[in-house]
Amino acid sequence: RKEVEQDPGPFNVPEGATVAFNCTYSNSASQSFFWYRQDCRKEPKLLMSVYSSGNEDGRFTAQLNRASQYISLLIRDSKLSDSATYLCVAYGGSQGNLIFGKGTKLSVKP
Amino acid sequence: EAQVTQNPRYLITVTGKKLTVTCSQNMNHEYMSWYRQDPGLGLRQIYYSMNVEVTDKGDVPEGYKVSRKEKRNFPLILESPSPNQTSLYFCASSPPLMSSYNEQFFGPGTRLTVL
Repeated sequence: RKEVEQDPGPFNVPEGATVAFNCTYSNSASQSFFWYRQDCRKEPKLLMSVYSSGNEDGRFTAQLNRASQYISLLIRDSKLSDSATYLCVAYGGSQGNLIFGKGTKLSVKP
Repeated sequence: EAQVTQNPRYLITVTGKKLTVTCSQNMNHEYMSWYRQDPGLGLRQIYYSMNVEVTDKGDVPEGYKVSRKEKRNFPLILESPSPNQTSLYFCASSPPLMSSYNEQFFGPGTRLTVL
């Protein structure tokens, strides 16, 4: 079975901290990767896609390491509003299905 | 406003009583999918559809049916619900997944309780 594994956390960090999440995937044929954010009992929303060369969006940086089959998300200068669950997602290819990790919970404290 | 809508948002029902959860999107997306989310298990795909009249099983299809007669609608049918189908259900849509980096747009969720 194709899997995406994440540390469930929770990660409890103070405001302003830098926090990093890792995610590993088992399907070497996976083509596309994403990070989604989910607030409690709400729908997931795309945070950012993960490009092979790595990409940055403001305080968020995503990296992909195909050789080791892991994806990372770095959040700098954490805000209270960053508190949420972060879902790592891999698109397996021709099957047309997305594989979601179980999520990593982040709690940013004042 | 571009959106995915689901109805009902909350439903409490009894074992064996057939129900349908509707999903509709107004973005002309080809791809639609249903997920269930349970504590400790994350989001698991039930069924997906690459386009009209094309549906396929996800990871947990048992006890569910879907249809895709029109591009905008993708209803989820529980013919004989059981308590283990108590869950939070999400519908999602996107342009074709084969286009890399396409965002999945999720509906607001349907919280189903089967007694």
